[in-house]
Amino acid sequence: QVQLVQSGAEVKKPGASIKVSCKTSGYSFTGHYIHWVRQAPGQGLEWMGWINPNNGATNSAQNFQGRISVTRVTSINTVYMELTTLTSDDTAVYFCARESADTAGNYFDYWGQGSLVTVSS
Amino acid sequence: SDELTQPPSVSVSPGQTARITCSGDVLSKYYTYWYQQRPGQAPLLIIYKDSERPSGIPERFSGSSSGTTVTLTISGVQAEDEADYYCQTADGFGTYYVFGSGTKVSVL
Repeated sequence: QVQLVQSGAEVKKPGASIKVSCKTSGYSFTGHYIHWVRQAPGQGLEWMGWINPNNGATNSAQNFQGRISVTRVTSINTVYMELTTLTSDDTAVYFCARESADTAGNYFDYWGQGSLVTVSS
Repeated sequence: SDELTQPPSVSVSPGQTARITCSGDVLSKYYTYWYQQRPGQAPLLIIYKDSERPSGIPERFSGSSSGTTVTLTISGVQAEDEADYYCQTADGFGTYYVFGSGTKVSVL
């Protein structure tokens, strides 16, 4: 079965960086884009960016450009999201999500369990 | 505007019908998808390509589209349907993905 398993909760100080991992299994790793979506406490979902695990190509939302880096290690079917220069506004649950292979649709059919990142001095 | 607007909350009695709207100019061009999110859980896809239902999603969930507004309908609401619901769209080119503001469904 398809699984996306994320790294655990972390606490960071303002100005630091965070790197969250998303280990996938149960499907062809290179056949689906992996996205990152975050959710601040009590707030809605915010799309951050994606990676194409097949070739490493990435794209990110304008809000995060310059601060986000999404990478992958194909030998272990794992995607990483690094966010730099953290502020308290980055306190959120970060989800990885698999994009469907449906060529006519761009939706997220499987999600990781979420990783809580708390930014506090 | 690229924003997707949803009502903050919808209240419904068990067995009744809940309708959640999602409005945005881009919806006339792209498919819409719907997710259910229960507290402390990851979102779950419940509708894709405006009105298709993934395997395992109950038939009481349905979607429809008309111009710049799409609607998620929950027929015969059950207590377990109490959750937040988000619409989402994308441009099909990998450059633009956006979620609606979310709607909290309360079952009275």
